[in-house]
Amino acid sequence: QKEVEQNSGPLSVPEGAIASLNCTYSDRVSQSFFWYRQYSGKSPELIMSIYSNGDKEDGRFTAQLNKASQYVSLLIRDSQPSDSATYLCAVNGISNFGNEKLTFGTGTRLTIIP
Amino acid sequence: ETGVTQTPRHLVMGMTNKKSLKCEQHLGHNAMYWYKQSAKKPLELMFVYSLEERVENNSVPSRFSPECPNSSHLFLHLHTLQPEDSALYLCASSQTGLNTEAFFGQGTRLTVV
Repeated sequence: QKEVEQNSGPLSVPEGAIASLNCTYSDRVSQSFFWYRQYSGKSPELIMSIYSNGDKEDGRFTAQLNKASQYVSLLIRDSQPSDSATYLCAVNGISNFGNEKLTFGTGTRLTIIP
Repeated sequence: ETGVTQTPRHLVMGMTNKKSLKCEQHLGHNAMYWYKQSAKKPLELMFVYSLEERVENNSVPSRFSPECPNSSHLFLHLHTLQPEDSALYLCASSQTGLNTEAFFGQGTRLTVV
């Protein structure tokens, strides 16, 4: 079982609509969760972090966390063409070595259609 | 400008060459990481340094050799690489603690010929 799972897409959303990106994780003791945006040929850029159950809003972005279901999502309202990118879900937990370990999903490629 | 700088941005090397990737962070963090990103694969954690001590080595082949001389600098020394090692190599830094965020450098696009 993959540790962090995302639908690879591509996910196509019309401009102005809501884009919904989903992520599930396997490690129940994970404590912090992040969404990164990666444009083609560029490095990942942190856009949201969430640590407790519920919703966290930042501008057009809302992160949602449900630890019981081991599920984290990212909603992008009023989608813009500039939102077209790959979105990486990352989960922080403890590795087999007893250290912090940030594990990434494969990413979901999002395309906003003008 | 993310506060984490990697050089070079692009590197082409032969299988018999020796080269080094460099990473420098200006964020005052105490942990640094090397990740490998290949096409259609998740980011793979290679090495973790916390307080300048290597704390994790994810079964990475010995042809990759990390070095962390201080908390601001991280190197990845490369020798006798294989074509399948061609990938984007990303450096990241963070402050230790589970609720802290990692910030990435721009990456080095490595091609082994």
